[in-house]
Order: sequence, then structure tokens, then C-alpha cells
Amino acid sequence: QVQLQESGPGLVKPSETLSLTCTVSGGSISSYYWSWIRQPPGKGLEWIGYIYYSGSTNYNPSLKSRVTISVDTSKNQFSLKLSSVTAADTAVYYCARVPTHYDILTGLSHPLYYFDYWGQGTLVTVSS
Amino acid sequence: QSVLTQPPSVSAAPGQKVTISCSGSSSNIGNNYVSWYQQLPGTAPKLLIYDNNKRPSGIPDRFSGSKSGTSATLGITGLQTGDEADYYCGTWDSSLSAGPVFGGGTKLTVL
Repeated sequence: QVQLQESGPGLVKPSETLSLTCTVSGGSISSYYWSWIRQPPGKGLEWIGYIYYSGSTNYNPSLKSRVTISVDTSKNQFSLKLSSVTAADTAVYYCARVPTHYDILTGLSHPLYYFDYWGQGTLVTVSS
Repeated sequence: QSVLTQPPSVSAAPGQKVTISCSGSSSNIGNNYVSWYQQLPGTAPKLLIYDNNKRPSGIPDRFSGSKSGTSATLGITGLQTGDEADYYCGTWDSSLSAGPVFGGGTKLTVL
């Protein structure tokens, strides 16, 4: 059974960079896309971005200028960095697995649109 | 403001059936599969339905999904108190902001 666990500081100061890591266990990080999703207190879900194990990324345009997602296959981990944070970035941050479709004709892998395994989430508060 | 529109809340009695709607457009639901997630209080979302109407292993057949045009519906039969949760629809949006999108969520109360 695949399990995901987020880790990182629960408090970040305004204008600084939020950094989180997701550790994947019970399965390999290879051959899948992996995503970050956040949920402000009392609000809905917002997709932040995803990364393929090879390193290719796609980010939510509304956050693209501040987001970097990276992967470390040797540690079965992927990470999120969100720069210049404000109080509006206070949220529970989830990491999740994205099922992948391999196109035999093109040899390319594409992320499907849903998230089948989620971490438990970690609350990050932006405050001085 | 969410890309997909869901009712803020629905309610029904134990044992009854409830449906939750999710409305979108041709750039998302109209041309892509829909998924549904259940978020119990204080927990992470859990995949309930994918590819419009498929259930992952372990999800009871009390939960069903359907899609028509630019709208989708989650159905829950034989309601239990343990079904009280927030439910979110999701899909891919092919517009300029291409990527996964979610509805605003619907709070289900089992009276």
C-alpha cells in the first residue's frame, strides 16, 4: 500500500520561502506523476503543481512564478518550494500521487487527471 | 471562486439517497473525465470515483458517479452517519490555465 507523508516547518514568516517534502513509501516514485495540493482553512482544494519522476513539471498558472517542485528518486521524495509567501498561503498542504498513462505509440507518459493516494496533510501558517 | 460549481450543502436522513451535482464547461467537464473525493472531518481527501463512474478498490457500490454534457453527479444510497463529510468533484481544465481543477465542495449532513 502506497503511503505519502509530508514534512516541513509549520510556521513560515511573510516574504520567506515555504519548503515541504513528501516521502513516498510502499512503492517506487518512478513511473508516476506526483502533485502538491493545498486547502486554506475552511475552504476548498487548490492544485499547486505536479512533477514526473524524470523531473518534468507543470504548475498552476496562478502560482507558477513562485513555485518550484523537485524530485529525488534516490530518496523516494519530492519537494515543494513556494517563495514570497503571505497570509493567503496559509493552508493545509497535501502531497498526492497522480496515475499515469503511457502512450505506446509516442513513448510518452501523461498524467491522468485524478489523485489516487494522498498524504495526511500538513498545516503551514504564514505569520510573523 | 472555484472553476467547478457544487451546492454548498445537502442533507438527507439515514438510509436515504442523496445526489451532489458538479457543473462546469466544455473546457473541463465537457471534454474530460470527472473524479469525486470524500473528505471526512480533519482528514485528507479520499478518491471515491474516477473516470466519471469507476470506483477504486474498497469503495462500496453505495457510491456512484455519472456525467452528462458539462455536468456530473455523485450519488450515495443507503446513507450512513459515517458518510457525513465534504465531497469534492475534480477534472482537468483544458483552457489557458490547463491543469486539474476542483469544485468548491459540498457538505453532506446525515440528519
